[in-house]
Amino acid sequence: AQSVAQPEDQVNVAEGNPLTVKCTYSVSGNPYLFWYVQYPNRGLQFLLKYITGDNLVKGSYGFEAEFNKSQTSFHLKKPSALVSDSALYFCAVRADSGTYKYIFGTGTRLKVLA
Amino acid sequence: DTEVTQTPKHLVMGMTNKKSLKCEQHMGHRAMYWYKQKAKKPPELMFVYSYEKLSINESVPSRFSPECPNSSLLNLHLHALQPEDSALYLCASSRGDTSRTGELFFGEGSRLTVL
Repeated sequence: AQSVAQPEDQVNVAEGNPLTVKCTYSVSGNPYLFWYVQYPNRGLQFLLKYITGDNLVKGSYGFEAEFNKSQTSFHLKKPSALVSDSALYFCAVRADSGTYKYIFGTGTRLKVLA
Repeated sequence: DTEVTQTPKHLVMGMTNKKSLKCEQHMGHRAMYWYKQKAKKPPELMFVYSYEKLSINESVPSRFSPECPNSSLLNLHLHALQPEDSALYLCASSRGDTSRTGELFFGEGSRLTVL
């Protein structure tokens, strides 16, 4: 069965510092991995995805994520956090077996402190 | 700006009312989704339409009735809801071919309150 884990409910980071939001996954077959961000009372916005190829994926708003197959992880990173990055972040996975089911992690609230 | 449009943004209804949520996209996507999201929780999949046919129903109670009139429109008809059905209802779309690797495009959601 597919699953996604986001081990941290909340991550606090000072503005200007690097940030990491963790995600691990479990799927049979090759995973398609995604990160989304959600601001209060808004829908989810797509940030980036890993399908195949380079393990370091660059996305919107300066975010990037590193795919690590041996550790089954897909951590979201940003070199320098902004206060405006404060939001709820979801990792999601879809197995490559031809499904419309995207499995979401429980979410991590990122708080960037000025 | 999102390319998936949901109306209404807010809806308050009694347990005996009948109402509908609407979703529209003009990106040519052939898969459309309804998700339910409670506060500070991940979205929960309810229904998926692929090429206007119901592809997935995640054992959703019959008081929720989806409809896909055409490839651009998705409705969710609501009847005899319970207070616990109060949530943010999110519509999403994707390219529709499961062999592709498309991400989901979400609307801003419809905030439903059942009294």
